[in-house]
Amino acid sequence: AQTVTQSQPEMSVQEAETVTLSCTYDTSENNYYLFWYKQPPSRQMILVIRQEAYKQQNATENRFSVNFQKAAKSFSLKISDSQLGDTAMYFCAFMKHVAGNQFYFGTGTSLTVIP
Amino acid sequence: DTGVSQNPRHKITKRGQNVTFRCDPISEHNRLYWYRQTLGQGPEFLTYFQNEAQLEKSRLLSDRFSAERPKGSFSTLEIQRTEQGDSAMYLCASSLYLSGGGEQFFGPGTRLTVL
Repeated sequence: AQTVTQSQPEMSVQEAETVTLSCTYDTSENNYYLFWYKQPPSRQMILVIRQEAYKQQNATENRFSVNFQKAAKSFSLKISDSQLGDTAMYFCAFMKHVAGNQFYFGTGTSLTVIP
Repeated sequence: DTGVSQNPRHKITKRGQNVTFRCDPISEHNRLYWYRQTLGQGPEFLTYFQNEAQLEKSRLLSDRFSAERPKGSFSTLEIQRTEQGDSAMYLCASSLYLSGGGEQFFGPGTRLTVL
């Protein structure tokens, strides 16, 4: 079975500062994908960033980047130059390469950006 | 097509009643997923369809739950004889499955409250 752990239920960061959200996972799979999704208050979830496990290079999307450590089964999200619009719940998700491709989500980290 | 839509957005029902939710995925997407999200938790997988075929069901999907995707387009999720423990946000997501793991696009969810 796959499990995803987010050990930081809540975090806050000053506007324009950098924050890192942690995620660890457990799996016996070798090929898989990892995602960070953002769920703003009362709005639907949207994809922030995605990482293929077979790629050693860490994914980046503008102000968002990940630190993927496959051996340690760690997948942290770094948000640079935090903006008020980054305030949201952030979910780390694991997807196997095969079968149904359903997500296994962590419990989420609630991030507040302080003006 | 502006994304995944779900109706109704909110549903309040009395224990023992039946409820049905609808999900309209992005039109060209061949996979459709249902997840359940309770307060303070990440979404949990319920079931998924590839076109009209229901390919996997979670153990969370008791026999009171049934899902259909009759023509490979929209999907319905029915809960019979609702219980208070069914109170949750029900999320629908769709994806275009070609190979490997692709982004899932989420709808806004249907929030169910069972009194």
